[in-house]
Amino acid sequence: GENVEQHPSTLSVQEGDSAVIKCTYSDSASNYFPWYKQELGKGPQLIIDIRSNVGEKKDQRIAVTLNKTAKHFSLHITETQPEDSAVYFCAARDGNYGQNFVFGPGTRLSVLP
Amino acid sequence: EPEVTQTPSHQVTQMGQEVILRCVPISNHLYFYWYRQILGQKVEFLVSFYNNEISEKSEIFDDQFSVERPDGSNFTLKIRSTKLEDSAMYFCASSGRTGGATEAFFGQGTRLTVV
Repeated sequence: GENVEQHPSTLSVQEGDSAVIKCTYSDSASNYFPWYKQELGKGPQLIIDIRSNVGEKKDQRIAVTLNKTAKHFSLHITETQPEDSAVYFCAARDGNYGQNFVFGPGTRLSVLP
Repeated sequence: EPEVTQTPSHQVTQMGQEVILRCVPISNHLYFYWYRQILGQKVEFLVSFYNNEISEKSEIFDDQFSVERPDGSNFTLKIRSTKLEDSAMYFCASSGRTGGATEAFFGQGTRLTVV
């Protein structure tokens, strides 16, 4: 089955700097890769996603890149703000077979003022 | 904006008791899921449900677990005889279209504490 790795496990950046979180997946059949932000005591909130037919997607300060050949995808947050502090999870789903997601272990991002 | 709602937000139960966690998915969605998150760990898939039957389940989802969609709006997770290790946040999620990759939206979760 699918296995998703995520790095780093923790990340601290100064406010205004950029943050990059990287994930790798194992199943080449996976074709949908969402990113979720989880704040303390809340459920995962979808912030951006990418499908396997594109290499990059951007939404304001957030962007995701996908390298299908290498089976890795990354989340980029620019001009970080304290409210970006949260745990970020990447996930992968095999759209050809399953509907469930396999999540990475998460990255705790701290944006220092 | 439509959202997935879960009740209760927190449930405390004695070991060996049955619990039912409730979810109201987004109304026009077709796929429903339960995930769990043990404190400080990653989100783990339990089960997916489509067309009134289980479509996939993980190894975690053993005979102690069951799901039901008793009416047109609710989606429930039942744990028949809770164990201490069932203590976790349980998230319900739903997604829309019949095929292909679609966004899944999560509820706020139910914190289950087994004592």
